[in-house]
Amino acid sequence: EVQLVESGGDLVQPGGSLRLSCVVSGFTISSSYMSWVRQAPGKGLEWISIIYNDGTTYYAESVKGRFTISRDNSKNTLYLQMNSLRAEDTAVYYCARDSHMPYWGQGTLVTVSS
Amino acid sequence: DIVMTQSPDSLAVSLGERATINCKSSQSVLYSPNNKYCLAWFQQKPGQPPKLLIYWASTRESGVPDRFSGSGSGTDFTLTISSLQPEDVAVYYCQQYYGTLYTFGQGTRLEIK
Repeated sequence: EVQLVESGGDLVQPGGSLRLSCVVSGFTISSSYMSWVRQAPGKGLEWISIIYNDGTTYYAESVKGRFTISRDNSKNTLYLQMNSLRAEDTAVYYCARDSHMPYWGQGTLVTVSS
Repeated sequence: DIVMTQSPDSLAVSLGERATINCKSSQSVLYSPNNKYCLAWFQQKPGQPPKLLIYWASTRESGVPDRFSGSGSGTDFTLTISSLQPEDVAVYYCQQYYGTLYTFGQGTRLEIK
């Protein structure tokens, strides 16, 4: 059974950092495209980053230079390192598998506030 | 970036009636190697992650009821629910996965009239 479980969300001050994790079971992340998607409270979905099976990464302009996507194949875990956090980064963060995203985690809430 | 624009923003349809949601991409999302469109549709209910309904513009995901269908070509795409059921109340999103930067539409809220 495919499962994705995010963790690491927290309340953080503006300018702070946070690392999110997405532990995967039922498939191997090193052979998949893995994305992070976020949803601000009461708002729509925003794709923010992807890591390809070959390790290539891409970012939305809104997070480029501040966020870093990575993975640990030995732990079958996806990460999102978030630096220089802003109030507008407050959202539920989801990890999802493949380009058309048939599998999603339940999300983890990041709140950026003083 | 490819901009995805959905219409309408909200929609109220009677039970058993047809619901139609439109999505327009700012440029083509046609994947030449398989001649299919990199376009997916998701359903999201409150407090839940999105659920994939349709991919490649018209391929229904396994387990999705056949009242859901996707169509379209060029830059215009449609999600149709043929006979609205109470459990279809949700927000629906289109998403393009062409190229290196993916984008979602702004969402369409579907309610019962």
